[in-house]
Amino acid sequence: AQSVAQPEDQVNVAEGNPLTVKCTYSVSGNPYLFWYVQYPNRGLQFLLKYITGDNLVKGSYGFEAEFNKSQTSFHLKKPSALVSDSALYFCAVRDENDYKLSFGAGTTVTVRA
Amino acid sequence: SQTIHQWPATLVQPVGSPLSLECTVEGTSNPNLYWYRQAAGRGLQLLFYSVGIGQISSEVPQNLSASRPQDRQFILSSKKLLLSDSGFYLCAWSGEAGTYEQYFGPGTRLTVT
Repeated sequence: AQSVAQPEDQVNVAEGNPLTVKCTYSVSGNPYLFWYVQYPNRGLQFLLKYITGDNLVKGSYGFEAEFNKSQTSFHLKKPSALVSDSALYFCAVRDENDYKLSFGAGTTVTVRA
Repeated sequence: SQTIHQWPATLVQPVGSPLSLECTVEGTSNPNLYWYRQAAGRGLQLLFYSVGIGQISSEVPQNLSASRPQDRQFILSSKKLLLSDSGFYLCAWSGEAGTYEQYFGPGTRLTVT
């Protein structure tokens, strides 16, 4: 079985400050990890993924995420948040031997000017 | 490049009426296809997935069904809608060689009245 936990329903930051969205996961095998962003009434947009290799992965719009195997975490980060980063963020995981994704419940990010 | 289309974008249907939502993918062949439902702007629930024409797997028992009549076409149907079928329906595809993520369509907002 595989699952994802996003412990924060909401994250609020000021523009220009660092942004972190937390994610922990559980899979039976090696994890493939993903972050998506969703704007109101839109589909999910793929941001970045970890498959193998460097624990720090970089993605779209200046986002990055750090894979931590010992803590089973994959936190999303952005050094300097923008108002336009305000959206709903989803972490997802799948086992390397599966193709079905398990999604977290989502974290709403609000960046204030 | 690959694109994914969903229609209609919005739909208002009375209880007991039939439903047909369509999803098509362009620019790839033999994709894995997925239908998700998102309730109240939060987590995603996988409803169906397909690894090939005529091959449908159901994740959640309900009054919905799915079909894949062509390689890049995925249809979500119901014979009689329930109020609880209201939600945001998202189609996704995966399987392009060398990639691991799913790509989502723009979604269909269904309101059952």
